[in-house]
Formats: sequence, C-alpha cells, structure tokens
Amino acid sequence: DQQVKQNSPSLSVQEGRISILNCDYTNSMFDYFLWYKKYPAEGPTFLISISSIKDKNEDGRFTVFLNKSAKHLSLHIVPSQPGDSAVYFCAADLGGATNKLIFGTGTLLAVQP
Amino acid sequence: DAGITQSPRHKVTETGTPVTLRCHQTENHRYMYWYRQDPGHGLRLIHYSYGVKDTDKGEVSDGYSVSRSKTEDFLLTLESATSSQTSVYFCAISERGYEQYFGPGTRLTVT
Repeated sequence: DQQVKQNSPSLSVQEGRISILNCDYTNSMFDYFLWYKKYPAEGPTFLISISSIKDKNEDGRFTVFLNKSAKHLSLHIVPSQPGDSAVYFCAADLGGATNKLIFGTGTLLAVQP
Repeated sequence: DAGITQSPRHKVTETGTPVTLRCHQTENHRYMYWYRQDPGHGLRLIHYSYGVKDTDKGEVSDGYSVSRSKTEDFLLTLESATSSQTSVYFCAISERGYEQYFGPGTRLTVT
C-alpha cells in the first residue's frame, strides 16, 4: 500500500513556462512534506519542504502548495529552466522519534529549450 | 554539500556472496539511513540508525543487516546476495530529522 503517490511518471514543459509536479498521500498523520531533486548518477538533493500547518512555502522559483483536505501537494517551478530537468521525488514524514521519510515513485521532468 | 561518501561506488558480485557497503559522514549527524532505488518504486528505506549501536528496520529490510559502531560510519551488509538485490543504494544523514542529505550512491549488480 503506497502512502505517497506520484501518478505522473514524466512531464515535459517548455523553457520559461510553469512546471507543476503533483503528489498525493493517504496518511493524514504526516506532519511534514519535502521535495527532492535527483540528477542521473547522483544522490537526491533536498529542494523545499512544508509543514502540515502551512499551505504554502516559497523559495525563489520553487513553491510548494499543500491541500490537507485533499491530501495533495504540488511543486511549482516558475520559470522552468533546462537545468531543472531531473527526477523529482516527494516525501512525507510522520514525525516523532523515527524521523523516517516515505518517498513517492518520482516524476521525470524534462524542460525543453 | 553535506560530507557523505559511499564506497564502493560500483560493484558486481555473484549470487550467494556476502557484500558490505559503507557510508561515511563527516557531519557528526545523529541519524543515518540506507535506501534502495528501483524503477517504479522510488526510494525505499532498508534500515536506519538513530545513534551508535542503535538501529531499526525499514520497509524492505529482509536480506539486509546493518551496523553502526561509530558515529561516522554506517555499514549495510547483504549476507548472501540475490539478483533481486541488484539496485542503486543510497545512504542519507540528518540531524534535525527532517531534511535528509544523501550520498552519491552505490550501484550494485548481482549476477
């Protein structure tokens, strides 16, 4: 039973346009959400996060939105750049002492010049 | 970038042989994690550690064991490698427990 789902395996957008990556979750006890970016042959790198008590967090070109009633979060990248082409993973944390993350399956973003 | 190294970076081994992967950090972070990445599955937690000699299982721990005798080192052992353990393995560390920082990965092929 996958608790964190990324239903779009891939996404293609034009340079300069908005990229929207989506993530759904099933466990209402998650209290923190994160997005990671991964280039081929490298480890994932932390991008942006959001607490469950907020509905938006912004960092430069990256904004994460959280809709708790729908159990849905999204990552917006504006404007998209070719260097943003990578696999994006969303992850969720139950909090507490375990500090374990549950990851989605990832979305491959391709930004076309 | 967080100081995390993994060794070896690539390994090919035969079915039935033991394999040990090493994760080394220079950040003195308390938490360390081992993940595997497979197509269609994303990143799945194998084992994690919340202190020296303190470890626990993740969601895909069968066939794997870990040890952490020093803060900086976290070892992942495949007691008897199988083809289903062919994967890319990532180590991660964290201090605050939220943002985990990942190593460069180890590509393991079991023939």
